[in-house]
Amino acid sequence: SQTIHQWPATLVQPVGSPLSLECTVEGTSNPNLYWYRQAAGRGLQLLFYSVGIGQISSEVPQNLSASRPQDRQFILSSKKLLLSDSGFYLCAWSTVANYGYTFGSGTRLTVV
Amino acid sequence: RKEVEQDPGPFNVPEGATVAFNCTYSNSASQSFFWYRQDCRKEPKLLMSVYSSGNEDGRFTAQLNRASQYISLLIRDSKLSDSATYLCVVSWWGGGNKLTFGTGTQLKVEL
Repeated sequence: SQTIHQWPATLVQPVGSPLSLECTVEGTSNPNLYWYRQAAGRGLQLLFYSVGIGQISSEVPQNLSASRPQDRQFILSSKKLLLSDSGFYLCAWSTVANYGYTFGSGTRLTVV
Repeated sequence: RKEVEQDPGPFNVPEGATVAFNCTYSNSASQSFFWYRQDCRKEPKLLMSVYSSGNEDGRFTAQLNRASQYISLLIRDSKLSDSATYLCVVSWWGGGNKLTFGTGTQLKVEL
């Protein structure tokens, strides 16, 4: 069966520090991968998506970047965090359009 | 105008009640529709897909009206465990299977 792993679950980082969040998927090949952010009390915002190794599409200009070094690995990074980067970061995967996404358990990031 | 709009609620209902959530979407090219459930401080989980003919899964019934660009979710015989935020979600092929989420409707089922 397919599983998605995301870590860490919680992170507190100072302003200006770097960030690296990792997401891996097991049990499937060539998934579409996504990074979403959910700010407190707000909806999910798509940040990046990838349809293959090395391919990244960015949805909104921001302080973050993404990479996909392997088929089932998706990384979200920042060189210098801002207070506004705080939020709940969710990785998701899909392979068939009509079956929606499966989300990882998320990383709750607080920038202080 | 938001791409997917939902009444944020909260909807406070007694156990056993029937409750309906509505959602409208702006992109007429939307092709896939879903309802997700999100518990407090947890990831969203797929509740059900929504098909053109309408579909039912136990106590849950979803309806789609393409002409009006309107989606609904009906929950019958509400349980305490149904308390959560319900997210309306749409996607379209031109969007590379990117799902667009509504901000969600909060449901609280009370004794």
